[in-house]
Amino acid sequence: QVQLVESGGGVVQPGRSLRLSCAASGFNFTSHGMHWVRQAPGKGLEWVSVISFDGSEKDYADSVKGRFIISRDISRNTLYVQMDSLRIEDTAVYYCARESIHGSGSDYMDVWGKGTTVIVSS
Amino acid sequence: SYVLTQPPSVSVAPGLTARISCGGNNIESRSVHWYQQKPGQAPMLVVCDDIDRPSGIPERFSGSNSENTATLTISGVEAGDEADYYCQVWDSSTNHWVFGGGTKLTVL
Repeated sequence: QVQLVESGGGVVQPGRSLRLSCAASGFNFTSHGMHWVRQAPGKGLEWVSVISFDGSEKDYADSVKGRFIISRDISRNTLYVQMDSLRIEDTAVYYCARESIHGSGSDYMDVWGKGTTVIVSS
Repeated sequence: SYVLTQPPSVSVAPGLTARISCGGNNIESRSVHWYQQKPGQAPMLVVCDDIDRPSGIPERFSGSNSENTATLTISGVEAGDEADYYCQVWDSSTNHWVFGGGTKLTVL
C-alpha cells in the first residue's frame, strides 16, 4: 500500500546537524512532488520545504532557508532533508508528505508519514 | 506572504453541523485544502480543491470557498470528528505552501 516512513529524528545540540529520511513505497515516487512539514509541541502545522517531482525545483520556508537542504534519491525512493545549524525553535515532529500527482493542477498533500521527532536542546 | 486565519476553536453538539472558517485575501482565487489531525496522529486530507472529497472521506465533510472565506462544513457531527482542522493553500508568488493556524473542534 501507499506508505511514507520517516526516520532520523533524535536529540541534538543547538548548532549541530541532522539528516531526516522518508522512505516511500506503493506508488510512483517520480510522479509526485514531496514536502516536509513540521509541528512544534502544542503548535500548528508549519510547511518547511518542497522538492518537485523531478528534483529540479526546491523551495524553503523563510525560517529554514539557508540551513536546510531537501533532496530525493529516486533509486532508493527516498526523500531527505539535511538540517544544519539547528536551533531550539526547530524542535518539532517532522512529517514528510506526498503532493498530488504532477500535472493534476492541484497542490494538496494526499499522503502523510507518521512523523519523526527532532529535539534541539543543550 | 499570504496569511490564512482560522478561529482557534469551534464547539458543536453531536448530530448538529460544524462550520470552520478560513480567511484570506481573495481566497476564492486559490484552491483550498483541509486536513484533519487527531491527537498523536499525522494530518489527513479531508477536502481538496475547495469542494472535493478524497476516497474514503464521508459525505458529511464538505467545503466551500467564496470571496475572502473558505469553509469546511461537517454535517451530523460525531464524537469521532473531534480533532484539529487546518486549511492550506499554495502561494504562487513565493512558491510556498501555507497553513492556517488550525481550529480545534470540540464535540460537546
